Amino acid sequence: GAVVSQHPSRVICKSGTSVKIECRSLDFQATTMFWYRQFPKQSLMLMATSNEGSKATYEQGVEKDKFLINHASLTLSTLTVTSAHPEDSSFYICSALKDYEQYFGPGTRLTVT
Amino acid sequence: DAKTTQPPSMDCAEGRAANLPCNHSTISGNEYVYWYRQIHSQGPQYIIHGLKNNETNEMASLIITEDRKSSTLILPHATLRDTAVYYCIVGGINTNAGKSTFGDGTTLTVKP
Repeated sequence: GAVVSQHPSRVICKSGTSVKIECRSLDFQATTMFWYRQFPKQSLMLMATSNEGSKATYEQGVEKDKFLINHASLTLSTLTVTSAHPEDSSFYICSALKDYEQYFGPGTRLTVT
Repeated sequence: DAKTTQPPSMDCAEGRAANLPCNHSTISGNEYVYWYRQIHSQGPQYIIHGLKNNETNEMASLIITEDRKSSTLILPHATLRDTAVYYCIVGGINTNAGKSTFGDGTTLTVKP
């Protein structure tokens, strides 16, 4: 099966700082990756679609200048939460598309203090 | 993409079959039905998908009604490790429902 990793798995940062989360497809190349956010006891919410070599497509209501997405290679997409605030604390999950199947990463728990 | 409706929770006895229903009455002709599950604090795991025929793999079976307006995921012999939130979503094959909406899902609790 295909494996997707995320790093870090957990991160605590201070309000106002920026945090970068990496999403890697370990054994396949992914032209398309997705970023989701999940608040406690809620479902996954799609934030953006990341396409290798082009700009990400953001869902309505997601600030592209706050959540910077870079998909510079076929195996790596990064999500940078800029000027993080406590309300950005959440579980961030990425997924990568391979052969029309979506493989999810294990998630990154972000806590902003 | 079409939306789905699932019961919020279900219980199942260990070793018995778990039948999880999903309504997707507005599904369009080219949309697939996908099932994922999410164990607490982990990323979702793909289970199965189908268009109109029933499907079976090593994890589960998917039964889709003839009118495609509903489906049922069947875990034939549920174990305690199957306790999770199960999501039924519909979407196009080209993104594997990547842009589809994850509803609230069904929390399945398998009890000893």
